[in-house]
Amino acid sequence: GESVGLHLPTLSVQEGDNSIINCAYSNSASDYFIWYKQESGKGPQFIIDIRSNMDKRQGQRVTVLLNKTVKHLSLQIAATQPGDSAVYFCAVGDQAGTALIFGKGTTLSVSS
Amino acid sequence: ETGVTQSPTHLIKTRGQQVTLRCSSQSGHNTVSWYQQALGQGPQFIFQYYREEENGRGNFPPRFSGLQFPNYSSELNVNALELDDSALYLCASSLYGGAETQYFGPGTRLLVL
Repeated sequence: GESVGLHLPTLSVQEGDNSIINCAYSNSASDYFIWYKQESGKGPQFIIDIRSNMDKRQGQRVTVLLNKTVKHLSLQIAATQPGDSAVYFCAVGDQAGTALIFGKGTTLSVSS
Repeated sequence: ETGVTQSPTHLIKTRGQQVTLRCSSQSGHNTVSWYQQALGQGPQFIFQYYREEENGRGNFPPRFSGLQFPNYSSELNVNALELDDSALYLCASSLYGGAETQYFGPGTRLLVL
């Protein structure tokens, strides 16, 4: 079946650094990709999404890069702040186009 | 514009009991998806409702069932609770049926003893 994996379960950075969180997916036919941020005790919060017809998409302080050749997705956070500390999930739309398939998450810790 | 809301926030049940969780979708959204999130894991898809019809189902047994109402709010029902059902249950709403741009609620924390 389809799967989503993460390269690092934890990432620690200093305030002001740029953070990069990576994700790999298994299905080369995947069309939709999304990043969520989940703070303790809360539901996942939408950060940014991208479709397979794009390689890069930018938001406020965040950039998502999609490399379909190696089935790799990354989230870049510029000038990381303590408020960015959370668990970050990448998710991929399933083949039926209904469900999101999530990875296990990367815990980002930002120290000041 | 109100976001996705869920009730109750926390719930404790015993094995074998039944539970109903509720979700109100974001204003204007006609699709609700339910996910189960075990501790330390990513959310797992249970099912999706689009315009009051089930629009897809994950690998969960039939004792997990749902409903969507004409106002697009939704219920998740779990019968014959098992200890492994202890998890955070998340509801997500979206504008169209499908996987795209799902906005999550805060979740209901269920503990089965």
